[in-house]
Amino acid sequence: AQSVAQPEDQVNVAEGNPLTVKCTYSVSGNPYLFWYVQYPNRGLQFLLKYITGDNLVKGSYGFEAEFNKSQTSFHLKKPSALVSDSALYFCAVREFSGTYKYIFGTGTRLKVLA
Amino acid sequence: DADVTQTPRNRITKTGKRIMLECSQTKGHDRMYWYRQDPGLGLRLIYYSFDVKDINKGEISDGYSVSRQAQAKFSLSLESAIPNQTALYFCATSDLGVGSNEQFFGPGTRLTVL
Repeated sequence: AQSVAQPEDQVNVAEGNPLTVKCTYSVSGNPYLFWYVQYPNRGLQFLLKYITGDNLVKGSYGFEAEFNKSQTSFHLKKPSALVSDSALYFCAVREFSGTYKYIFGTGTRLKVLA
Repeated sequence: DADVTQTPRNRITKTGKRIMLECSQTKGHDRMYWYRQDPGLGLRLIYYSFDVKDINKGEISDGYSVSRQAQAKFSLSLESAIPNQTALYFCATSDLGVGSNEQFFGPGTRLTVL
């Protein structure tokens, strides 16, 4: 079965410091990987995706993610965190078994401290 | 995302009541999904539909039913609500096209079952 793990429930980082939110996955075949962000009282918003090609993917709001096939990871990164980046972040993988379902991680709460 | 709307946004109901949550989209997407979000559990798929004639159960469909009234409308029903169905419910859409893999989420419906 395909799965996604976000090992950290919460990540705290000081404003201006680099941030990393971790995600590992388990799939059969090539993964389609996604990051979404959820701000309070809002739905999830798409940040970026990896389908194929360059392992470093750039997305919205200055976020990027690095696909590492050998480590089965897709960590979300940003060089300099902002207080406004504080939110709940979800990693997701698209199942490629003919049903095209999306499997989400449990989410990581990012707190950027001023 | 304003292209995916959900009604109601908040609902408080009593055990045993029948509840319908509605989702409408103007994105022209064929694929629609219903998820529930619980703290620490992330998003779990309830039902999904790839076109008007296609309805599929997700991982937690027991106690729920859906109706795809049109390409743009996908409603979720709780036939007899129970307290452990208290959660945040999201509708999402995605496109069929190659490369257009990300999902677009509605703002959510917060349901409380007393």
